[in-house]
Amino acid sequence: GAVVSQHPSRVICKSGTSVKIECRSLDFQATTMFWYRQFPKQSLMLMATSNEGSKATYEQGVEKDKFLINHASLTLSTLTVTSAHPEDSSFYICSASRRNTEAFFGQGTRLTVV
Amino acid sequence: AQTVTQSQPEMSVQEAETVTLSCTYDTSESDYYLFWYKQPPSRQMILVIRQEAYKQQNATENRFSVNFQKAAKSFSLKISDSQLGDAAMYFCAYRFPGNTPLVFGKGTRLSVIA
Repeated sequence: GAVVSQHPSRVICKSGTSVKIECRSLDFQATTMFWYRQFPKQSLMLMATSNEGSKATYEQGVEKDKFLINHASLTLSTLTVTSAHPEDSSFYICSASRRNTEAFFGQGTRLTVV
Repeated sequence: AQTVTQSQPEMSVQEAETVTLSCTYDTSESDYYLFWYKQPPSRQMILVIRQEAYKQQNATENRFSVNFQKAAKSFSLKISDSQLGDAAMYFCAYRFPGNTPLVFGKGTRLSVIA
């Protein structure tokens, strides 16, 4: 079946630095990918829609300058957390889907900002 | 607003018994897809079962089945012969056709008692 790979699975960074998370669709072309954030014991919250070759669409309340999304190819979307602060510590998950099928999820990235 | 409601934050079931997780949703659209995803402690999102809204027949996948009531906008998940490995967070979700994100409920934490 389709597989979405997300890297890294865990990252610890210092406050003020930037962190890049990669999301790859391994066996299908994904013109659209989605980035979610999940707080402990809570559901997934949609952050943004990543569109290949165009600007990402951000959900209300998500700072586009802090969470930079780049979707430069049909198999890769990246999320960069810029100038990270402890409140950005969270679990980030990407997903992609073929049209009208279920979404496939990456393994998630646990970000800890110290 | 498009919403998904899972009214049971936590459920427990004895091993080998049957449990039903409830889900209701609210959308004015008639064409959509419904899903149950499982999130074990690893936090990898795993598809459990999927249902197309235009299909009247309830979906089944081995020990997992759904009771889909479109008019009532209800989509419950039944797990038969529960196993220890079924213990996880279960999220109900839907999405519209095309490259659209999932709308998630808040989840139900299922415990399986040996």
